[in-house]
Amino acid sequence: DVQMTQSPSNLAASPGESVSINCKASKSISKYLAWYQQKPGKANKLLIYSGSTLQSGTPSRFSGSGSGTDFTLTIRNLEPEDFGLYYCQQHNEYPYTFGAGTKLELK
Amino acid sequence: EVQLVESGGGLVQPGRSLKLSCAASGFTFSNYYMAWVRQAPKKGLEWVATISTSGSRTYYPDSVKGRFTISRDNAKSSLYLQMNSLKSEDTATYYCARQRTTTGYFDYWGQGVMVTVSS
Repeated sequence: DVQMTQSPSNLAASPGESVSINCKASKSISKYLAWYQQKPGKANKLLIYSGSTLQSGTPSRFSGSGSGTDFTLTIRNLEPEDFGLYYCQQHNEYPYTFGAGTKLELK
Repeated sequence: EVQLVESGGGLVQPGRSLKLSCAASGFTFSNYYMAWVRQAPKKGLEWVATISTSGSRTYYPDSVKGRFTISRDNAKSSLYLQMNSLKSEDTATYYCARQRTTTGYFDYWGQGVMVTVSS
């Protein structure tokens, strides 16, 4: 199985700042990485797939980069609604696997 | 608007069975692969099962293979997860998710249903 290592586990930032979350795969997954946002009381939201393709409705302040084993989610100019949990997921092969998550908190 | 609504969760004893359902609306259900993803309390997400559009192909991780069965009824736009021989480690919130067919990411999720396995 492909192991996904996500870092950092926790991240504190202020509105207006930029942050990056990293995800490392235990073997090459080509470009097939997705990012999700999880917030209490809301359905999980797909942000980015195939490494860098924004899902319809995802604000342009979100961007994804990387290929092979190393990927990054960058959020520029943080908005209050961006705080929450973020997960990466490899969608290159079964079994699909997720990172352990990054909690983005308000500083 | 795409909607996925899970039901059927609850408290069940170890070794017993439970069947979850997911009612889909707002899209042509039969055109999409569907999946179940779970999240144990205070833990991360774990993919549990995927089913093809016709139901002819199913996929599971080793952690549930042989115990869980995913199925669908396209006429009813419904997805199911039959869970047998439940263990305490199956305690989790179970999410129904629409899977993009050829590339395996989940573009819509339900709100989830809680399953607690305890004596």
